[in-house]
Amino acid sequence: QQPVQSPQAVILREGEDAVINCSSSKALYSVHWYRQKHGEAPVFLMILLKGGEQKGHEKISASFNEKKQQSSLYLTASQLSYSGTYFCGTEIKYSGAGSYQLTFGKGTKLSVIP
Amino acid sequence: KAGVTQTPRYLIKTRGQQVTLSCSPISGHRSVSWYQQTPGQGLQFLFEYFSETQRNKGNFPGRFSGRQFSNSRSEMNVSTLELGDSALYLCASSLAPTEYSNQPQHFGDGTRLSIL
Repeated sequence: QQPVQSPQAVILREGEDAVINCSSSKALYSVHWYRQKHGEAPVFLMILLKGGEQKGHEKISASFNEKKQQSSLYLTASQLSYSGTYFCGTEIKYSGAGSYQLTFGKGTKLSVIP
Repeated sequence: KAGVTQTPRYLIKTRGQQVTLSCSPISGHRSVSWYQQTPGQGLQFLFEYFSETQRNKGNFPGRFSGRQFSNSRSEMNVSTLELGDSALYLCASSLAPTEYSNQPQHFGDGTRLSIL
C-alpha cells in the first residue's frame, strides 16, 4: 500500500514552480510531507488532515483531496535550498491491526539550478 | 533541545552476523518508529513502539526485531544478516503516535549498515 509519487524527478530553475503528487489506493487519514537533502535526515514539512486542516511550513503549501485519496505539494518561486528528495507519507487504518501506519512513497528528487 | 540520536553512525558486518542499532528520541517523545531506506525504495516502515509496546510492524521477516525501554529509548536488532540488509536505518520519534496527536516525526541521521 505504498503511495505513488509523481514525478520521480524534476529539474527547475530558480524562481520556477513545481507540483509533486502523491496518490494512494486506500482511504487516507492524513498525509505527511518530508524533504531529505543528500546525506541528511528527512525533515518535516507539513501534515494534512482529513477535514482540511494543515500544519507546517510557511513557504510551501499542499492540498489533500480525500475523495481522490491524493495530495499535492506546491513549491512556488523555488530557491536553491529547495533541492532534495521529497517524500509523502500516507496514514491509513489497518482494520486487522486496529491501528494506523505511516507509509512513505519512493520519493521525488527535486533539483533547483541557478 | 537535542534531536534524535542514533548510534552507531556506520557499521560494517558480514553475512550471518547479527547487529543492534540504538535510537534515543527527543526528550519527552514517547513514540519511536524505525525505517529502512535503500536507493529507489524510499522509506520502508519496519515497526513502531509506544510506551514499550510494539504497535505496528511492517512487512519484514522475523529476523528484524526491536524493543523500547521505559525511558523511550529504542533498539533494533537484525539477526542472520544478509547482503540485502545493507541500507540506511532511520529512527524517528514523535510525542505520541500520529493517530493520537497529529504530530510530525523527527528523524535521526541514521545508521548506515553495510554487509560484506
